[in-house]
Amino acid sequence: GDSVTQMEGPVTLSEEAFLTINCTYTATGYPSLFWYVQYPGEGLQLLLKATKADDKGSNKGFEATYRKETTSFHLEKGSVQVSDSAVYFCALRVTGGGNKLTFGTGTQLKVEL
Amino acid sequence: GAVVSQHPSRVICKSGTSVKIECRSLDFQATTMFWYRQFPKQSLMLMATSNEGSKATYEQGVEKDKFLINHASLTLSTLTVTSAHPEDSSFYICSVRGGTGELFFGEGSRLTVL
Repeated sequence: GDSVTQMEGPVTLSEEAFLTINCTYTATGYPSLFWYVQYPGEGLQLLLKATKADDKGSNKGFEATYRKETTSFHLEKGSVQVSDSAVYFCALRVTGGGNKLTFGTGTQLKVEL
Repeated sequence: GAVVSQHPSRVICKSGTSVKIECRSLDFQATTMFWYRQFPKQSLMLMATSNEGSKATYEQGVEKDKFLINHASLTLSTLTVTSAHPEDSSFYICSVRGGTGELFFGEGSRLTVL
Protein backbone atom coordinates (compact mmCIF):
# COMPACT_ATOMS: atom_id res chain seq x y z
CA GLY A 1 0.00 0.00 0.00
CA ASP A 2 0.87 3.66 -0.05
CA SER A 3 3.01 4.99 2.75
CA VAL A 4 5.06 8.00 3.78
CA THR A 5 8.13 7.92 6.01
CA GLN A 6 9.42 11.01 7.75
CA MET A 7 12.40 11.57 9.96
CA GLU A 8 11.60 11.44 13.63
CA GLY A 9 11.66 14.58 15.67
CA PRO A 10 11.89 16.73 17.45
CA VAL A 11 14.33 18.70 15.37
CA THR A 12 15.84 21.58 17.33
CA LEU A 13 17.66 24.33 15.49
CA SER A 14 18.99 27.77 16.20
CA GLU A 15 17.46 30.69 14.37
CA GLU A 16 18.92 31.20 10.88
CA ALA A 17 20.08 27.59 10.65
CA PHE A 18 19.46 25.46 7.57
CA LEU A 19 16.58 23.03 7.77
CA THR A 20 16.08 19.68 6.12
CA ILE A 21 13.24 17.33 7.00
CA ASN A 22 13.47 14.08 5.09
CA CYS A 23 10.44 12.44 3.53
CA THR A 24 10.32 9.32 1.39
CA TYR A 25 7.31 7.54 0.01
CA THR A 26 6.01 4.37 -1.56
CA ALA A 27 3.00 4.50 -3.83
CA THR A 28 1.22 2.18 -6.23
CA GLY A 29 0.51 4.94 -8.71
CA TYR A 30 1.84 8.37 -9.55
CA PRO A 31 1.28 10.47 -6.46
CA SER A 32 1.03 14.14 -5.80
CA LEU A 33 3.16 15.12 -2.82
CA PHE A 34 2.43 17.63 -0.10
CA TRP A 35 3.88 19.24 2.97
CA TYR A 36 1.45 20.39 5.63
CA VAL A 37 2.32 22.47 8.68
CA GLN A 38 0.53 22.57 12.01
CA TYR A 39 1.26 25.50 14.27
CA PRO A 40 0.46 25.14 17.97
CA GLY A 41 -3.28 25.18 18.58
CA GLU A 42 -4.16 25.36 14.89
CA GLY A 43 -5.26 22.97 12.16
CA LEU A 44 -3.03 21.59 9.45
CA GLN A 45 -2.32 24.02 6.63
CA LEU A 46 -1.00 23.24 3.20
CA LEU A 47 2.56 24.53 2.98
CA LEU A 48 3.53 23.43 -0.52
CA LYS A 49 2.93 20.72 -3.07
CA ALA A 50 4.28 19.11 -6.21
CA THR A 51 2.24 17.09 -8.65
CA LYS A 52 4.83 15.46 -10.89
CA ALA A 53 8.43 14.38 -10.99
CA ASP A 54 11.05 17.16 -10.81
CA ASP A 55 8.46 19.73 -9.77
CA LYS A 56 9.58 22.03 -6.99
CA GLY A 57 7.03 23.32 -4.52
CA SER A 58 7.86 26.46 -2.60
CA ASN A 59 6.20 28.75 -0.09
CA LYS A 60 7.33 31.03 2.75
CA GLY A 61 10.98 30.22 2.05
CA PHE A 62 10.39 26.47 2.21
CA GLU A 63 11.14 24.26 -0.78
CA ALA A 64 10.73 20.62 -1.70
CA THR A 65 11.54 18.85 -4.95
CA TYR A 66 9.65 15.79 -6.17
CA ARG A 67 12.39 13.19 -6.80
CA LYS A 68 10.91 10.14 -8.47
CA GLU A 69 14.25 8.33 -8.74
CA THR A 70 14.75 8.43 -4.98
CA THR A 71 11.02 8.55 -4.11
CA SER A 72 11.70 11.53 -1.91
CA PHE A 73 10.24 14.95 -1.17
CA HIS A 74 12.57 16.50 1.38
CA LEU A 75 11.59 19.82 2.92
CA GLU A 76 14.26 22.53 3.10
CA LYS A 77 14.60 26.09 4.28
CA GLY A 78 17.75 28.12 4.15
CA SER A 79 17.25 30.15 7.30
CA VAL A 80 14.64 29.19 9.88
CA GLN A 81 12.92 31.55 12.27
CA VAL A 82 11.38 31.01 15.68
CA SER A 83 7.99 31.42 14.04
CA ASP A 84 8.65 28.29 11.96
CA SER A 85 8.34 26.15 15.08
CA ALA A 86 5.56 23.71 14.27
CA VAL A 87 4.86 20.13 13.27
CA TYR A 88 5.45 19.33 9.62
CA PHE A 89 3.62 16.51 7.84
CA CYS A 90 4.58 14.98 4.53
CA ALA A 91 1.69 13.45 2.59
CA LEU A 92 0.82 11.89 -0.73
CA ARG A 93 -2.29 11.49 -2.80
CA VAL A 94 -2.47 8.95 -5.58
CA THR A 95 -4.21 9.93 -8.80
CA GLY A 96 -7.65 8.38 -8.88
CA GLY A 97 -7.75 8.06 -5.10
CA GLY A 98 -10.14 10.91 -4.62
CA ASN A 99 -8.90 13.27 -1.97
CA LYS A 100 -7.56 10.55 0.29
CA LEU A 101 -4.27 11.68 1.74
CA THR A 102 -1.69 9.34 3.21
CA PHE A 103 0.32 11.12 5.89
CA GLY A 104 3.68 10.64 7.47
CA THR A 105 3.98 10.70 11.25
CA GLY A 106 4.93 14.35 11.40
CA THR A 107 8.17 15.99 12.47
CA GLN A 108 8.22 18.57 15.21
CA LEU A 109 10.53 21.50 14.59
CA LYS A 110 11.69 23.74 17.43
CA VAL A 111 13.62 26.86 16.55
CA GLU A 112 15.43 28.66 19.35
CA LEU A 113 17.00 32.08 19.53
CA GLY B 1 -9.98 28.84 1.26
CA ALA B 2 -12.35 27.22 3.72
CA VAL B 3 -12.24 27.91 7.43
CA VAL B 4 -12.89 24.80 9.47
CA SER B 5 -13.70 24.76 13.17
CA GLN B 6 -13.98 21.82 15.53
CA HIS B 7 -15.66 21.64 18.89
CA PRO B 8 -14.78 20.73 21.52
CA SER B 9 -11.02 21.05 21.27
CA ARG B 10 -10.60 18.84 24.32
CA VAL B 11 -13.00 16.44 25.99
CA ILE B 12 -12.62 14.02 28.86
CA CYS B 13 -15.27 11.41 29.45
CA LYS B 14 -15.88 8.28 31.43
CA SER B 15 -15.67 4.86 29.89
CA GLY B 16 -18.99 3.75 28.44
CA THR B 17 -20.31 7.20 27.62
CA SER B 18 -20.74 8.68 24.15
CA VAL B 19 -19.02 11.80 22.93
CA LYS B 20 -19.96 14.02 20.02
CA ILE B 21 -17.42 16.11 18.11
CA GLU B 22 -18.57 18.79 15.71
CA CYS B 23 -16.86 19.97 12.56
CA ARG B 24 -18.08 23.17 10.97
CA SER B 25 -17.18 24.71 7.66
CA LEU B 26 -17.54 28.39 8.50
CA ASP B 27 -17.35 30.00 5.07
CA PHE B 28 -17.79 27.21 2.57
CA GLN B 29 -20.61 24.82 1.80
CA ALA B 30 -19.00 21.43 2.01
CA THR B 31 -20.67 18.42 0.46
CA THR B 32 -17.77 16.30 1.62
CA MET B 33 -15.89 16.28 4.89
CA PHE B 34 -13.24 13.88 6.10
CA TRP B 35 -12.55 12.54 9.58
CA TYR B 36 -9.03 11.56 10.62
CA ARG B 37 -7.62 10.02 13.74
CA GLN B 38 -4.11 10.51 15.03
CA PHE B 39 -2.39 8.45 17.67
CA PRO B 40 0.66 9.85 19.45
CA LYS B 41 3.72 9.82 17.20
CA GLN B 42 1.75 8.21 14.38
CA SER B 43 0.30 9.32 11.10
CA LEU B 44 -3.12 10.79 10.60
CA MET B 45 -5.36 7.92 9.52
CA LEU B 46 -8.45 8.56 7.44
CA MET B 47 -11.44 7.11 9.26
CA ALA B 48 -14.32 8.04 7.00
CA THR B 49 -15.64 10.35 4.34
CA SER B 50 -18.73 12.24 5.38
CA ASN B 51 -21.21 12.98 2.59
CA GLU B 52 -23.93 15.57 3.02
CA GLY B 53 -27.34 13.99 2.93
CA SER B 54 -26.13 10.41 2.64
CA LYS B 55 -24.29 7.76 4.57
CA ALA B 56 -20.65 8.14 5.39
CA THR B 57 -18.06 5.97 3.70
CA TYR B 58 -15.84 4.23 6.21
CA GLU B 59 -12.28 3.07 5.69
CA GLN B 60 -11.43 -0.55 6.16
CA GLY B 61 -11.13 -1.49 9.80
CA VAL B 62 -13.17 1.42 11.13
CA GLU B 63 -16.29 0.36 13.01
CA LYS B 64 -19.21 2.36 11.67
CA ASP B 65 -21.38 1.51 14.67
CA LYS B 66 -18.65 2.75 16.97
CA PHE B 67 -17.93 5.97 15.14
CA LEU B 68 -21.22 7.47 14.01
CA ILE B 69 -20.95 10.21 11.43
CA ASN B 70 -23.74 12.56 10.51
CA HIS B 71 -23.50 15.22 7.81
CA ALA B 72 -26.91 16.80 8.03
CA SER B 73 -26.06 20.14 6.46
CA LEU B 74 -23.50 21.66 4.13
CA THR B 75 -21.69 23.28 7.03
CA LEU B 76 -21.78 20.68 9.78
CA SER B 77 -20.56 17.13 10.22
CA THR B 78 -20.55 15.34 13.56
CA LEU B 79 -18.56 12.37 14.79
CA THR B 80 -20.02 10.49 17.74
CA VAL B 81 -17.81 8.02 19.55
CA THR B 82 -20.28 5.60 21.10
CA SER B 83 -19.63 3.70 24.31
CA ALA B 84 -16.16 5.14 24.47
CA HIS B 85 -13.30 3.17 25.98
CA PRO B 86 -9.75 4.20 26.87
CA GLU B 87 -8.44 2.81 23.59
CA ASP B 88 -10.60 5.38 21.79
CA SER B 89 -8.53 8.15 23.33
CA SER B 90 -6.99 9.97 20.43
CA PHE B 91 -6.78 13.18 18.44
CA TYR B 92 -9.62 13.49 15.92
CA ILE B 93 -9.28 15.89 13.01
CA CYS B 94 -11.77 16.84 10.34
CA SER B 95 -11.12 18.36 6.96
CA VAL B 96 -13.15 20.00 4.25
CA ARG B 97 -12.54 19.82 0.53
CA GLY B 98 -12.68 23.34 -0.84
CA GLY B 99 -13.76 24.47 -4.25
CA THR B 100 -10.32 24.02 -5.77
CA GLY B 101 -9.96 20.53 -4.37
CA GLU B 102 -7.58 21.58 -1.63
CA LEU B 103 -8.18 20.18 1.84
CA PHE B 104 -8.63 22.49 4.81
CA PHE B 105 -8.28 21.11 8.30
CA GLY B 106 -9.84 21.82 11.64
CA GLU B 107 -7.70 22.35 14.71
CA GLY B 108 -8.49 18.89 16.04
CA SER B 109 -10.28 17.50 19.07
CA ARG B 110 -8.44 15.58 21.75
CA LEU B 111 -10.54 12.88 23.38
CA THR B 112 -9.46 11.28 26.64
CA VAL B 113 -11.50 8.39 27.95
CA LEU B 114 -10.96 7.54 31.59
